[in-house]
Amino acid sequence: EIVLTQSPATLSLSPGERATLSCRASQNVSSYLGWYQKKRGQAPRLLIYDTSNRATGIPARFSGSGSGTDFTLTISSLEPEDFAVYYCQQRSNWPPTFGQGTKLEIK
Amino acid sequence: EVQLLESGGGLVQPGGSLRLSCAASGFTFSRYTLSWVRQAPGKRLEWVSAMSGSGGSTFYAYSVRGRFTISRDNSKNTLYLQMNSLRAEDTGVYYCAREERAWFDPWGQGTLVTVSS
Repeated sequence: EIVLTQSPATLSLSPGERATLSCRASQNVSSYLGWYQKKRGQAPRLLIYDTSNRATGIPARFSGSGSGTDFTLTISSLEPEDFAVYYCQQRSNWPPTFGQGTKLEIK
Repeated sequence: EVQLLESGGGLVQPGGSLRLSCAASGFTFSRYTLSWVRQAPGKRLEWVSAMSGSGGSTFYAYSVRGRFTISRDNSKNTLYLQMNSLRAEDTGVYYCAREERAWFDPWGQGTLVTVSS
């Protein structure tokens, strides 16, 4: 199965700053990479699908890029509600797999 | 509003059984593939099982094949996961999720399963 490795494990930033989160796949996943946000005690929420498409209702400050094995989630200017754990997921190969997560914390 | 609400979690001994339910509302249930995804404490999310909208196709992770059974009742807008021969490594929060464009969207709040003696 495809292994997704996210970096960094923890990212400490302040509101208003730019966040860049990375996800690397062990094999080529083409553009079939998505991103989810998870807050403690809440359901995961789809942010980005197929590398760069924002899901319904997701603010424009969230963007995704990449292809093949290297992908990036960018949050252009952090809002207080953006501090959470972010997971990448691939659907190129069965079974669908997730990264280990990046915790975005307030500095 | 699309909603998914899991129930049925709890504490069970190793080797025991549990049935999870996921009640759906706000969309045409029978048109969508639904999945179960779990997260063990401190671990990454793990896809567990999926069932097509008609119920005609089922899929399982290798880690649960032969022990877990997914099913659905489209007349009740409910998805199920029958879990048998439970192991300590099955402990975690279990989420149900609708597949939209083959992505998991949305998810329920989850139900906690603890396998321990």
